[in-house]
Amino acid sequence: SQQGEEDPQALSIQEGENATMNCSYKTSINNLQWYRQNSGRGLVHLILIRSNEREKHSGRLRVTLDTSKKSSSLLITASRAADTASYFCATAPTDSWGKLQFGAGTQVVVTP
Amino acid sequence: DTEVTQTPKHLVMGMTNKKSLKCEQHMGHRAMYWYKQKAKKPPELMFVYSYEKLSINESVPSRFSPECPNSSLLNLHLHALQPEDSALYLCASSHSIPGVEKLFFGSGTQLSVL
Repeated sequence: SQQGEEDPQALSIQEGENATMNCSYKTSINNLQWYRQNSGRGLVHLILIRSNEREKHSGRLRVTLDTSKKSSSLLITASRAADTASYFCATAPTDSWGKLQFGAGTQVVVTP
Repeated sequence: DTEVTQTPKHLVMGMTNKKSLKCEQHMGHRAMYWYKQKAKKPPELMFVYSYEKLSINESVPSRFSPECPNSSLLNLHLHALQPEDSALYLCASSHSIPGVEKLFFGSGTQLSVL
């Protein structure tokens, strides 16, 4: 079952601009993760934020987590054409041992 | 070696065929997963193996039969599939569960059922 909702569904930006996407979820979580998927390929893990963390950075990525609102955001700064991909949030619910549940995803297109 | 290798990359099969998907990792991970992904949709969990034992079966039809021969290998046996089973099948592994940490995904097998 799908736990997360993401918005926007699609995002089109120019190189150099920032891209922000949001994820909402429904249940208590151990952690929230973001993955990237290029068309027809496997998913690549980007960043993990734990339930007791509020913000995390990795290179050009910044993730925030608000457990009171059950929401997270992913910011990609200074986007590049190579950032074109689908981005999925995934939650590890506290009551669902072993199950990582993916949101619907945001399709990002970065044009040169 | 931080790779999960899936074979074949593409598979076309008829509804009466029997085929198998294979997945291999050499990262010493003790949890392995099968996900199914339809176009423009998120991955859906099918099975989870923990220490070579089936831990989670998400009510998947019996025409899908998983097997974990050892800690590095994961198979998905397919029999009498339906056209609606056409999808990208993704294998993943992680260090361990619970509190699922980072998943390493293979590139997937694109399956077409005719």
